[in-house]
Amino acid sequence: DVKVTQSSRYLVKRTGEKVFLECVQDMDHENMFWYRQDPGLGLRLIYFSYDVKMKEKGDIPEGYSVSREKKERFSLILESASTNQTSMYLCASKEGNEKLFFGSGTQLSVL
Amino acid sequence: GNSVTQMEGPVTLSEEAFLTINCTYTATGYPSLFWYVQYPGEGLQLLLKATKADDKGSNKGFEATYRKETTSFHLEKGSVQVSDSAVYFCALSDVNDYKLSFGAGTTVTVRA
Repeated sequence: DVKVTQSSRYLVKRTGEKVFLECVQDMDHENMFWYRQDPGLGLRLIYFSYDVKMKEKGDIPEGYSVSREKKERFSLILESASTNQTSMYLCASKEGNEKLFFGSGTQLSVL
Repeated sequence: GNSVTQMEGPVTLSEEAFLTINCTYTATGYPSLFWYVQYPGEGLQLLLKATKADDKGSNKGFEATYRKETTSFHLEKGSVQVSDSAVYFCALSDVNDYKLSFGAGTTVTVRA
């Protein structure tokens, strides 16, 4: 069964902390994505990557960075967490123009 | 740019009722259209898709038809069950783009 695994289901961090959200896929997909999900706003794309060491900004990249050192792993980094980054974060992957496979999400609370 | 507008929720229905969730889009070119569903506590999963005008996607009793003339992709189910309670997202993908653009999501609750 194909899988996108996010390392944490729930995280609580303090303002100013550096936060790492990890995502691993086992489908050998080229493309990986980080979205955040907020009520009434749907999913908004933060960053995506179409190959190892490649990254592209999505619609809301401010305050975030990403790392893709290996094909199966795509990390989202909050350099200095702020309260407005409290959200559900969803990782996804896909091959070409096929469907997206999503992880279960990480609910991040920044206090 | 590409965008998706879907009807606001929440929607509350009784079992066996008819469900419609409206979705309209704005896109350059000829996008592929999708409905994703998110069950409580889970990530999103693909419900159905259509890749060209007049295509009908269907799955689990749900249907949606790609209407280019009205730029719409409305989701319908004739008789909902409690297990259909979820958040439903309409999305589009430009053929030349890796990314999907999502609507705001519609929360559907089905009562027994």
